[in-house]
Amino acid sequence: QVQLQESGPGLVKPSQTLSLTCTVSGGSISSGGYYWSWIRQHPGKGLEWIGYIYYSGSTYYNPSLKSRVTISVDTSKNQFSLKLSSVTAADTAVYYCARVARPNLMVDYWGQGTLVTVSS
Amino acid sequence: QSVLTQPPSVSGAPGQRVTISCTGSSSNIGAGYDVHWYQQLPGTAPKLLIYGNSNRPSGVPDRFSGSKSGTSASLAITGLQAEDEADYYCQSYDSSLSGPGVFGGGTKLTVL
Repeated sequence: QVQLQESGPGLVKPSQTLSLTCTVSGGSISSGGYYWSWIRQHPGKGLEWIGYIYYSGSTYYNPSLKSRVTISVDTSKNQFSLKLSSVTAADTAVYYCARVARPNLMVDYWGQGTLVTVSS
Repeated sequence: QSVLTQPPSVSGAPGQRVTISCTGSSSNIGAGYDVHWYQQLPGTAPKLLIYGNSNRPSGVPDRFSGSKSGTSASLAITGLQAEDEADYYCQSYDSSLSGPGVFGGGTKLTVL
């Protein structure tokens, strides 16, 4: 059973960089066949795809966030990470890491989510 | 504003059948990309409910079914139960957006 767990600060100051890490257990990021993804949900709102990464390092980002987002992978630690720069209050959301099956892009495993609040 | 349009809310009495629509266009559902559905219970992460338009993952009751036709997809829930009260999201891919997949705006199901 694959499990994903987000970790990182729950509070980030405006203009700083939000950094989160997702640790994957029960399966290897390097096994192929999947993208590793970040998805967020603003309070009381719907789901927004931030982007995803393949174990080789290929990335796909939401065009609306592309200029501020970096997703990276560390196969040795079976982890992948999110960096979102120049955050504002509009980036306050629950951030989920997730596994995305190729090629049909179904999200078959989700982390529990972590709330990140942007506030001074 | 998502490229996949869902009704904001639907409701039904226990035992009834409800459907949730997901309307797209020729660059997403109509282009043949798969549609997946997720159920999000209050305070929890979304859970895969239907994949590949009409397939149920192991453990999902057969009261839940999915279909796709043209530029739209639908989720049907029969024999509605109180525990089905949740938010439901459709998801697909849009070739015009040059990014990852897209989610519908979500539908709140209320069991009366």
